[in-house]
Amino acid sequence: QKEVEQNSGPLSVPEGAIASLNCTYSDRVSQSFFWYRQYSGKSPELIMSIYSNGDKEDGRFTAQLNKASQYVSLLIRDSQPSDSATYLCAVIQGAQKLVFGQGTRLTINP
Amino acid sequence: DAGITQSPRHKVTETGTPVTLRCHQTENHRYMYWYRQDPGHGLRLIHYSYGVKDTDKGEVSDGYSVSRSKTEDFLLTLESATSSQTSVYFCAISVGREPTNYGYTFGSGTRLTVV
Repeated sequence: QKEVEQNSGPLSVPEGAIASLNCTYSDRVSQSFFWYRQYSGKSPELIMSIYSNGDKEDGRFTAQLNKASQYVSLLIRDSQPSDSATYLCAVIQGAQKLVFGQGTRLTINP
Repeated sequence: DAGITQSPRHKVTETGTPVTLRCHQTENHRYMYWYRQDPGHGLRLIHYSYGVKDTDKGEVSDGYSVSRSKTEDFLLTLESATSSQTSVYFCAISVGREPTNYGYTFGSGTRLTVV
């Protein structure tokens, strides 16, 4: 079992709709969770962090964490073509190392 | 921008030659990391450092070594490059006091091709 798993996609969403990205992790003691966005040919960019169960909202982005189910998700409301990118879920492991999922490629269709 | 510079940005090298990639930061952060990114594998940790001369292995460290003689520089060396080491290499720093605080900030990457 991979430590952090994501559906690689591609996920296609119409402009203006809600995009939902999901991630599961295997280390039950993990405490810190992150979502990165990566445009083609660019480096990953941190867009959300979440540490407690529940929802965390930042503009059009909402991160959701359920530690009991070992599940993290990212919702993007009012999706725009500029949101088309690969989204990487990452989890801190062993207090020092960030472990990444393989990423979900998201395409927003105008 | 957290002041991370990777060099070179692109490199083509021959199998069997040594290669050194450099990561330079300007903000005195303690933790630095080297990742490689390959299709289907996402980002995988090669080595990391938690201070000058303090380094440790990640999940894909075979064939790589690192050095950190100054806080600002973290070097990744491929002792004898192989085609399987063709990849995009990213350096990252942890901008919080502890790695768990704020995630990492990444450099622009080095695209390495081994022929």
